[in-house]
Amino acid sequence: DAGVTQSPTHLIKTRGQQVTLRCSPKSGHDTVSWYQQALGQGPQFIFQYYEEEERQRGNFPDRFSGHQFPNYSSELNVNALLLGDSALYLCASSPGQGARLELFFGEGSRLTVL
Amino acid sequence: SQKIEQNSEALNIQEGKTATLTCNYTNYSPAYLQWYRQDPGRGPVFLLLIRENEKEKRKERLKVTFDTTLKQSLFHITASQPADSATYLCALGPTGGFKTIFGAGTRLFVKA
Repeated sequence: DAGVTQSPTHLIKTRGQQVTLRCSPKSGHDTVSWYQQALGQGPQFIFQYYEEEERQRGNFPDRFSGHQFPNYSSELNVNALLLGDSALYLCASSPGQGARLELFFGEGSRLTVL
Repeated sequence: SQKIEQNSEALNIQEGKTATLTCNYTNYSPAYLQWYRQDPGRGPVFLLLIRENEKEKRKERLKVTFDTTLKQSLFHITASQPADSATYLCALGPTGGFKTIFGAGTRLFVKA
C-alpha cells in the first residue's frame, strides 16, 4: 500500500518564476492538506482540499493556489516566487471527515528560490 | 492570537533515561492533540493522538498527557534510545474549521 507520494523531491527556481508541486494521497484517503515548512520551523497550513474544492485556507497570499483532481491527487501552484518561498512543502492526506484524524505526510518537495 | 509553544532549545539526554517534551497552547480549545516525529529532511510521522476527554494515552514506550485546564500536553519517551533522536512536533486540531496546526517542534538528542 503506497503512502503519500510527492514530486518533485527537489527543485530550484529563480525569483518571479512559477512552480507546480504534485501529491498523490494514501490509498483510501480523499482529503489533502498542504503545508509549508521553513528551516527550523513547524509546518504552516496552506490549504486543504476535499471533494475537489478548497475547504479551508491558511494565511497565505493568492500566489499560492491549488487543485484536487477526481482521483484525489492534488497540485500546489506558487506564482511569482519570492526568496522567502524557499521551504519544504509537505502534502498530508487523511480519510475525510470524522473517521481518523491523524495526517499521513509525504516526504516533501524541497523548493529553493534563488 | 492562537499560539502553540514547544521547548525551543534542544533536549539532550542519556540513553535509558526518560525524555519529557512539553507543548503549551493559548487561545485554543482543541478537540484533540497529536504528536508527530520528524527526521531531518523527511515528512512528519504520526505517533499518538489524545482527545480532550482523555487524560493520558500510552503506546509502547510513549506516553502523552493532556491537561485542558493548564492547556498543556507532556510527551514522554521512556527507556530512550539513540534511534529516538529526532524532532517532535505537537499538533492541535481542529482549529477554526478543519485544519491541524503545528508547533515549531523540539529536537531531541539521545546519547549512547
